[in-house]
Amino acid sequence: SQQGEEDPQALSIQEGENATMNCSYKTSINNLQWYRQNSGRGLVHLILIRSNEREKHSGRLRVTLDTSKKSSSLLITASRAADTASYFCATALAYSGAGSYQLTFGKGTKLSVIP
Amino acid sequence: DTAVSQTPKYLVTQMGNDKSIKCEQNLGHDTMYWYKQDSKKFLKIMFSYNNKELIINETVPNRFSPKSPDKAHLNLHINSLELGDSAVYFCASSQVGKIGTYEQYFGPGTRLTVT
Repeated sequence: SQQGEEDPQALSIQEGENATMNCSYKTSINNLQWYRQNSGRGLVHLILIRSNEREKHSGRLRVTLDTSKKSSSLLITASRAADTASYFCATALAYSGAGSYQLTFGKGTKLSVIP
Repeated sequence: DTAVSQTPKYLVTQMGNDKSIKCEQNLGHDTMYWYKQDSKKFLKIMFSYNNKELIINETVPNRFSPKSPDKAHLNLHINSLELGDSAVYFCASSQVGKIGTYEQYFGPGTRLTVT
């Protein structure tokens, strides 16, 4: 079954505004990751936050993680037209065996930044 | 240099045929993955593989089989193609450490169309 659920499904903002996307999940995780996918392209890793971390920054990106609520948020500040893409959260779960992990992706948030 | 590459980029074939998609990574990662992204952009893990273990998503039909000739390659073989196999297939790789998995690097995707 699907692990992550992003909210909203689609978001349209003006250039310069901040964009916030949320992700909820169901089970305990090793870490949570955010990816971006431009139309017709592969996914690009943005940021990883481990289960013992609460907040992480990378450039204009800020990610929070609340393991008690099983939720995460991605904030993009001062958005640009080039930020237009789909954003996915992915939860990393450990499998028994030789240190195997798998990512389970949500459905994504489609962000449109209007110039 | 391309980190994760896939060939072909587009594949159009008829029902019942057998086809393969190749994937190569030059990052020295120890784990590789195959994902399927459907028309609704939902990304689902199909396989993860390192030199010790193959983990198969139980929902993947046994017509799909990964084959790894060496650590840098994980090819996807599909037998008896069906209309429902039409999707974009992504290969990815990552390093897995003692504290968990790290970010995954995705290939550009292979758009498979079964007619």
